[in-house]
Amino acid sequence: KAGVTQTPRYLIKTRGQQVTLSCSPISGHRSVSWYQQTPGQGLQFLFEYFSETQRNKGNFPGRFSGRQFSNSRSEMNVSTLELGDSALYLCASSSTNLSSYEQYFGPGTRLTVT
Amino acid sequence: AQTVTQSQPEMSVQEAETVTLSCTYDTSESNYYLFWYKQPPSRQMILVIRQEAYKQQNATENRFSVNFQKAAKSFSLKISDSQLGDTAMYFCAFMKPHAGNNRKLIWGLGTSLAVNP
Repeated sequence: KAGVTQTPRYLIKTRGQQVTLSCSPISGHRSVSWYQQTPGQGLQFLFEYFSETQRNKGNFPGRFSGRQFSNSRSEMNVSTLELGDSALYLCASSSTNLSSYEQYFGPGTRLTVT
Repeated sequence: AQTVTQSQPEMSVQEAETVTLSCTYDTSESNYYLFWYKQPPSRQMILVIRQEAYKQQNATENRFSVNFQKAAKSFSLKISDSQLGDTAMYFCAFMKPHAGNNRKLIWGLGTSLAVNP
């Protein structure tokens, strides 16, 4: 099985712009979670999507949003970018089998805001 | 709220030796899941080992094993016969049970492990 894929791998944006990141989960996985990783704050949960519905959300401002499509692919959007949004954004997919709770991660998207 | 603490920001070990990374957590839940993830310089987050809180037996995956002490809320990772490829950042993570089937991971700040030749 192919792993989790994320595009693009690297992005450079300017303050005030918006950005969209994409994540394709492992085939058959319907749960997709997003995390932000920064040197100062570590890894923080952004949100989780399952069957096109957001079912869990972390403590981030409304500038951070996401969605999931019928094929389980997910996108996250950050509007009005701030310098502090510079981070590695990780996507993880998980099986919906109740006995299978592991999350498998993509390679991440490195976002730099200048 | 649950928290995860990794008290060792950096560690080093000689190749072929054994090293133990510490992790403690705080929760009022009785059932939960614990994980160790590895993040090498490539930044790819890789699942190393997992433990269900209701299982008393410590999980083992090849050279990796855990010492799970539920009462002490401790979950340490032991790496035996360390290899150069084990050089990475190691994260301890906690997940609540399937409340609404959520998959939210709560993370420690990580331990940077260097394996020296």
